[in-house]
Amino acid sequence: EAGVVQSPRYKIIEKKQPVAFWCNPISGHNTLYWYLQNLGQGPELLIRYENEEAVDDSQLPKDRFSAERLKGVDSTLKIQPAELGDSAVYLCASSNHGIKETQYFGPGTRLLVL
Amino acid sequence: GQSLEQPSEVTAVEGAIVQINCTYQTSGFYGLSWYQQHDGGAPTFLSYNALDGLEETGRFSSFLSRSDSYGYLLLQELQMKDSASYFCAVRAGNTPLVFGKGTRLSVIA
Repeated sequence: EAGVVQSPRYKIIEKKQPVAFWCNPISGHNTLYWYLQNLGQGPELLIRYENEEAVDDSQLPKDRFSAERLKGVDSTLKIQPAELGDSAVYLCASSNHGIKETQYFGPGTRLLVL
Repeated sequence: GQSLEQPSEVTAVEGAIVQINCTYQTSGFYGLSWYQQHDGGAPTFLSYNALDGLEETGRFSSFLSRSDSYGYLLLQELQMKDSASYFCAVRAGNTPLVFGKGTRLSVIA
């Protein structure tokens, strides 16, 4: 079974530029999560989807961040415009329906904003 | 809110046993998970404890005491490949997992 796929793996952009990350969850997983992980820290939830509905986005900085999960499968996380402080690893995870203690993570996208 | 505390770094010798502690504060506690993450890699699920006691999976065991709001991950017969960061994560109420800051384990020869 294929795992969670994310692209790109690395991205370097200048501040104020837009950037987008893509995630393909494990087949059949209804729940999709986007996390932000800073160096030396644990993952911090940005948004959680149940199918195509965003059910927990309280930690998403909505002035610059947006996400979508069309058709309840793939998801895209966008930052526009990016700031220096956005440099981090953006992780996508998926699980079966509902809040689960067992989440399957993708390899992440490492973003560097210059 | 929820908070978790775990040591930032632990060093242990190859072949030895190491214990990584995690204390938490939360309401509506359901259970405690443990994840492993190698440098540059994805976090991978290790274990989940919802009830008091010890859960064993091969060389790894995880313990929970709900009354003490405390758990630990026990790694036996340490191997060099066990060098990684280990995160405890609490599941509570109707909220997704909240992760601790992680413990960086270094296994030395």
